[in-house]
Amino acid sequence: DVQMTQSPSNLAASPGESVSINCKASKSISKYLAWYQQKPGKANKLLIYSGSTVQSGTPSRFSGSGSGTDFTLTIRNLEPEDFGLYYCQQHNEYPPTFGSGTKLEIK
Amino acid sequence: EVQILETGGGLVKPGGSLRLSCATSGFNFNDYFMNWVRQAPGKGLEWLAQIRNKDYNYATYYAESLEGRVTVSRDDSKSSVYLQLNSLRAEDTAIYYCTRGYNLLDYWGQGVMVTVSS
Repeated sequence: DVQMTQSPSNLAASPGESVSINCKASKSISKYLAWYQQKPGKANKLLIYSGSTVQSGTPSRFSGSGSGTDFTLTIRNLEPEDFGLYYCQQHNEYPPTFGSGTKLEIK
Repeated sequence: EVQILETGGGLVKPGGSLRLSCATSGFNFNDYFMNWVRQAPGKGLEWLAQIRNKDYNYATYYAESLEGRVTVSRDDSKSSVYLQLNSLRAEDTAIYYCTRGYNLLDYWGQGVMVTVSS
């Protein structure tokens, strides 16, 4: 299975700032990397797939980049509702595998 | 609107069994593969099982870590998918999520908690 390494594990930022979360695959996954947001009591939300394709309903302040083994999720101009957990997941190979998560907290 | 709702969680003793249900609406269930993913307390997400649709003969796939202790099934007439968990261990304590998709999981339920404890 493809191993996904996500960093940092924790991130603190203030509303209005920009942050980046990184994800590294153990082998090339082409462009097939997804990002999910997780918040308590809510269903996980698919934000971005295929590395940079924004899922319908995802705010434009979210963007994804990368290919091969290295990927980045960038959130610009943080809003209070953006704080929570973020996971990457490769969707190039079966089975799907996830990063260990990044907790984005308010500074 | 796509809706996914898991039920059937709870407290079960080690060695016991549990059947989780996942009811869906808002999309043509027959067209989609369905999955179960779990998350142990304070841990990351772990894919467990997939059941494909009728076009793929309802083929099933499982994570090797489950060692044959789980069975996934579906009832297209009810737009529902199920997960039978057997020989439960403390390390199976987790939130269990039902999700839609092949390997891109585009919709998730809120999850159901399973606690394995004596």
